[in-house]
Amino acid sequence: SQTIHQWPATLVQPVGSPLSLECTVEGTSNPNLYWYRQAAGRGLQLLFYSVGIGQISSEVPQNLSASRPQDRQFILSSKKLLLSDSGFYLCAWSDGNYGYTFGSGTRLTVV
Amino acid sequence: GQNIDQPTEMTATEGAIVQINCTYQTSGFNGLFWYQQHAGEAPTFLSYNVLDGLEEKGRFSSFLSRSKGYSYLLLKELQMKDSASYLCAFQSGGSYIPTFGRGTSLIVHP
Repeated sequence: SQTIHQWPATLVQPVGSPLSLECTVEGTSNPNLYWYRQAAGRGLQLLFYSVGIGQISSEVPQNLSASRPQDRQFILSSKKLLLSDSGFYLCAWSDGNYGYTFGSGTRLTVV
Repeated sequence: GQNIDQPTEMTATEGAIVQINCTYQTSGFNGLFWYQQHAGEAPTFLSYNVLDGLEEKGRFSSFLSRSKGYSYLLLKELQMKDSASYLCAFQSGGSYIPTFGRGTSLIVHP
């Protein structure tokens, strides 16, 4: 069966520090991968999606970037965090046909 | 363009039935999803409709009318643990990207 792992669960980072969130999927090949952010009380905002290794599409211009170095690995990064980057970050995968499965999420607080 | 709308908040009584509506607009359609999200947790999949009609799964049912761009999630025999946000999302034909609504916060009280 397919599983998705996301870490860390919580993170407190100072303004201006770098960020690296990792997401891996097991039990499937060539998944579509997504990074979402959810601010408190808000909906899901799509940040990046990837349909294959090295293929990244950005939905929202900002100081975040994403990379897919391996088929089942998706990384969200920032060189310098802003206060506005605080939120709940969710990785998700899909086989393109049926539903989206989310990771457990990372609660990021930028202080 | 694409748009999706659902109520922001609903309240209901334990043991009752509640219907959460969702309307959407898209030029192409390839399925509608409902997710449940408890506070501080990730969304979990509830249902998927691609054809018109009602899909029943235990206490939860989901309905779709493609011609009306309309779906609803029906929750029966409400329990306190059903208090959560319910997200409606559709997938456009040929797109890998789901469009999510803002979610409906359901509060179940005794």
